[in-house]
Amino acid sequence: DAKTTQPPSMDCAEGRAANLPCNHSTISGNEYVYWYRQIHSQGPQYIIHGLKNNETNEMASLIITEDRKSSTLILPHATLRDTAVYYCIVRAGAGSYQLTFGKGTKLSVIP
Amino acid sequence: GAGVSQSPSNKVTEKGKDVELRCDPISGHTALYWYRQRLGQGLEFLIYFQGNSAPDKSGLPSDRFSAERTGESVSTLTIQRTQQEDSAVYLCASSSTGGFGQPQHFGDGTRLSIL
Repeated sequence: DAKTTQPPSMDCAEGRAANLPCNHSTISGNEYVYWYRQIHSQGPQYIIHGLKNNETNEMASLIITEDRKSSTLILPHATLRDTAVYYCIVRAGAGSYQLTFGKGTKLSVIP
Repeated sequence: GAGVSQSPSNKVTEKGKDVELRCDPISGHTALYWYRQRLGQGLEFLIYFQGNSAPDKSGLPSDRFSAERTGESVSTLTIQRTQQEDSAVYLCASSSTGGFGQPQHFGDGTRLSIL
């Protein structure tokens, strides 16, 4: 699976949009971009994933650049409960079911 | 709907004892995964079940570790003769299929402490 690069930490004011970037310059054509987060003492939580097109669900939006070398996770109205470590993962096709998390981005939502 | 359920949430046991950890996947999910996460570390893959296929046991760290799954439902992870290095959070995840387009949904894990 392609390697991803994320900033180690970010702050966001409560109620504002949180934009978390991820670089995956070596991504190949069949690899999806996944985002998970992990709040202290809880299991990882799936947020969203996409291949080429931008995606939106009830939790977040995922913006993937046209060359697919980077993406941004957007939490439109961050709350204190969104404070967590966010992981960007790139996964290939069948057989690549083992999830491997990098260091991720520690997002702190500030009142 | 109900998510992945793991029990117990916490387990403290003495070195050398056997422990059994349980995972109830999301109903209808055919794929089930076990991971281990040591304090401050990333995920360590242990084992993968997909339907009636032979499980991928390539991540099990030693023969003291084993896992079973009954059909497409409950799975148990057993650790025999526990050692202190087995202390970790054991996470279970399930997905609707094992395909790469399907996200894995995690339980909150079992925090295992070996004294």
